[in-house]
Amino acid sequence: GAGVSQSPSNKVTEKGKDVELRCDPISGHTALYWYRQRLGQGLEFLIYFQGNSAPDKSGLPSDRFSAERTGESVSTLTIQRTQQEDSAVYLCASSLAAGGMNTEAFFGQGTRLTVV
Amino acid sequence: AQSVTQLDSQVPVFEEAPVELRCNYSSSVSVYLFWYVQYPNQGLQLLLKYLSGSTLVKGINGFEAEFNKSQTSFHLRKPSVHISDTAEYFCAVGGSNYKLTFGKGTLLTVNP
Repeated sequence: GAGVSQSPSNKVTEKGKDVELRCDPISGHTALYWYRQRLGQGLEFLIYFQGNSAPDKSGLPSDRFSAERTGESVSTLTIQRTQQEDSAVYLCASSLAAGGMNTEAFFGQGTRLTVV
Repeated sequence: AQSVTQLDSQVPVFEEAPVELRCNYSSSVSVYLFWYVQYPNQGLQLLLKYLSGSTLVKGINGFEAEFNKSQTSFHLRKPSVHISDTAEYFCAVGGSNYKLTFGKGTLLTVNP
């Protein structure tokens, strides 16, 4: 596709429910990032995928959060038993490579998650 | 390991005034530096980047940044800001074999 695509754009869920957020990276991009952005806050790194390497999960805030990516394709971020503090915009980004000059990241428009 | 420090969380300025948004980084390897802008209710878009070569980098919307290796800085500047420049600005550093690391952001508010 032309850019990074995220779906849904908005999601309202009840506390305690599970949600799944989807990210379609730019074709050919080997690196993929998930970030969380709470209202009025900066970017909070969640997880990073690079090709077939083991993902960097160091930013996941709790074991309720998980993410998967098969190869260099779609990624899904799953939040189990959602809590109100999970309300935020979840941003996905992809880049051509992990390091070097191709590190430039391209962002999706984000998924706004509201837990009520 | 890499880290990025954006020294100001908020910068209010008047329209047509100059502005500088500060960014310092730490890295043990060669770095590639980026500034991203996030307009209200939108995703992030690239403003400019330093990969190699000239240390003065020009980006979109009249912004420029200068890479200073000795001071490990990559400050963003614009000589005259507009109301439409009101946004959140993020500095980021990448390096060989390292993922992109972002600063916490600086909210630039341009007042009439």
